[in-house]
Amino acid sequence: SQKIEQNSEALNIQEGKTATLTCNYTNYSPAYLQWYRQDPGRGPVFLLLIRENEKEKRKERLKVTFDTTLKQSLFHITASQPADSATYLCALVQNAGNMLTFGGGTRLMVKP
Amino acid sequence: EAGVAQSPRYKIIEKRQSVAFWCNPISGHATLYWYQQILGQGPKLLIQFQNNGVVDDSQLPKDRFSAERLKGVDSTLKIQPAKLEDSAVYLCASSSWGDEQFFGPGTRLTVL
Repeated sequence: SQKIEQNSEALNIQEGKTATLTCNYTNYSPAYLQWYRQDPGRGPVFLLLIRENEKEKRKERLKVTFDTTLKQSLFHITASQPADSATYLCALVQNAGNMLTFGGGTRLMVKP
Repeated sequence: EAGVAQSPRYKIIEKRQSVAFWCNPISGHATLYWYQQILGQGPKLLIQFQNNGVVDDSQLPKDRFSAERLKGVDSTLKIQPAKLEDSAVYLCASSSWGDEQFFGPGTRLTVL
């Protein structure tokens, strides 16, 4: 069966450290993968998109990697801040269509 | 630029009652999506419109859920009759080129 798995346990890190979140998928052939941020009581906000032929994408303190052999994407936040505390969702689009399928999200808590 | 608007923000109904949600996408966005997000899970796509035509409604429970997008702008999602398991946040999103999606704040539905 098809699965998109993110660590359901919250990730707690100290301010200034690098946070690394994982997204694993099975039985998908994604054309691209996106990462979103969601704060309580709000809709998701788009952060980054990485295509199947790209290994890495950066935007300010954010970095995403995409390994189609391992079927995994890693999302990094460097020099993390308490304001980065939120739930982070990965989502992928299959080659065959443009339907976005989300993982369950990982909650990140950055402590001062 | 105004974001995606949704109303109401909260709704509490008894099971077997009917409910409708409204969404106004970002001006000029041809693609509109409705998602269901159950507490602790990622959003699940219910239906996707391109202008006023349905692109994908494979995950819409058509025996009780219906959606329309008249004139290719606003959209309504209806549940009739509601079940306890329909308690969730209903998110509307829109996009212009099918990549980055812009989400509204959602409608939190509680079915008693």
